[in-house]
Order: sequence, then structure tokens, then C-alpha cells
Amino acid sequence: DAKTTQPPSMDCAEGRAANLPCNHSTISGNEYVYWYRQIHSQGPQYIIHGLKNNETNEMASLIITEDRKSSTLILPHATLRDTAVYYCIVRAPAIYGGSQGNLIFGKGTKLSVKP
Amino acid sequence: NAGVTQTPKFRILKIGQSMTLQCTQDMNHNYMYWYRQDPGMGLKLIYYSVGAGITDKGEVPNGYNVSRSTTEDFPLRLELAAPSQTSVYFCASSLTGTGGGYEQYFGPGTRLTVT
Repeated sequence: DAKTTQPPSMDCAEGRAANLPCNHSTISGNEYVYWYRQIHSQGPQYIIHGLKNNETNEMASLIITEDRKSSTLILPHATLRDTAVYYCIVRAPAIYGGSQGNLIFGKGTKLSVKP
Repeated sequence: NAGVTQTPKFRILKIGQSMTLQCTQDMNHNYMYWYRQDPGMGLKLIYYSVGAGITDKGEVPNGYNVSRSTTEDFPLRLELAAPSQTSVYFCASSLTGTGGGYEQYFGPGTRLTVT
């Protein structure tokens, strides 16, 4: 699975867009990009994932560059409740009989949303 | 939907005692997982299940056992608790074919201390 690189920390003003970058320059053609976050003392929370195209859901947007070597998670209007550690994970599709679903979290980006 | 629920929220065990951590999901997901997270560290997969009656070991299965008699429930059994099992335990679930298998939904966690 491709390795990811994220900045250790970022600040964002409340109400502004938070743009969290992730570098995955060794990504393979069948590997998805997933984003999770973990608010202090809570379970990880799935945010969004994508393969090639940009994706948007009610929580965030995911922008993947054309060469797929990097991506950006966008929280359009950050709130104080978005303060968390954000993880970018790159994985090939889980194959039955293999090590199903082993989410490997790196160190992530600690996002602090400030009033 | 309640999503993934876990009980208990907190537990203190003495060395050598046993206990069962309960996990239930109401999303009709076929995949379920148990992870542990030590302080300041990432998740480690203990066991997973691809459906009722089917379980398999993850990265750190020693000292634990699981069973999956129904789609909804995936209990984790600790036999002969040891201080090294002090951790936060997260249960998660996902649905085959969605998002490459890594769109997982987590419970709130069980905080276990073994003394």
C-alpha cells in the first residue's frame, strides 16, 4: 500500500474553509484514497473516499490531482467541532480471504479550528 | 439507526480476570472488525469477520477470541487479562463492495484498564 505524507498540524479560522493536503506519490492504479478523522477520545469517523474523480458529500470534498500523486480534503465551513486529527489512507480494494479492512493510520494532521 | 454500539464504555480488570466486550451494529453490514488503540498510537486490527460464522485473525490476535453467530453481533473475549491489554478497543463494520472495503463505521470504544 502507498505511503502517505501529511503536515503534522494546521490551524483554521472558524467559518473558513479548511484545506488538508496529502501526498501519496507512490499510489498504484487500483488504490483508493480514504479520509478519516478522530476527535479526541472518540472512535475514528469515515469522511470520504475516491479513486480518480473528485468527490463531495455532506461532510467534505475530496480533490485528487490528475496524476493521483496528491489529494486535498476540503471542509468548506470549518466549525469548532471539526477540531480533530485527520488521516489520509491509501489502500487497494480489500480482497476476500486477505487481510480484510486493516486500516493503517499514520500520524495524520491535527487540525485546530479557532474562533 | 444507532450505528455501531459498544458496551461497556469503561472497565477495570484485575490481572487474570476475563471479560467480553460487546459490539452490535444495526446497518446490516457483513464485515465487522475489532481494533485496539494504545495511547498516542494508531489502530491495530485484532480480529475481523466477513459474515456470520466466519472470523479470522488480524495483526494482534493473541490473548483474544471472537465469535460471530449473527450478522449484528461480534463480541470480543479477553481471557486471562494482562496489563499489556490496557487499551481502547474499537469495533467497526462495513459493507462488501462499498468503497473498496475500507468505508468503515466505528463504535465509541471501550476503555479497558488491567491492573
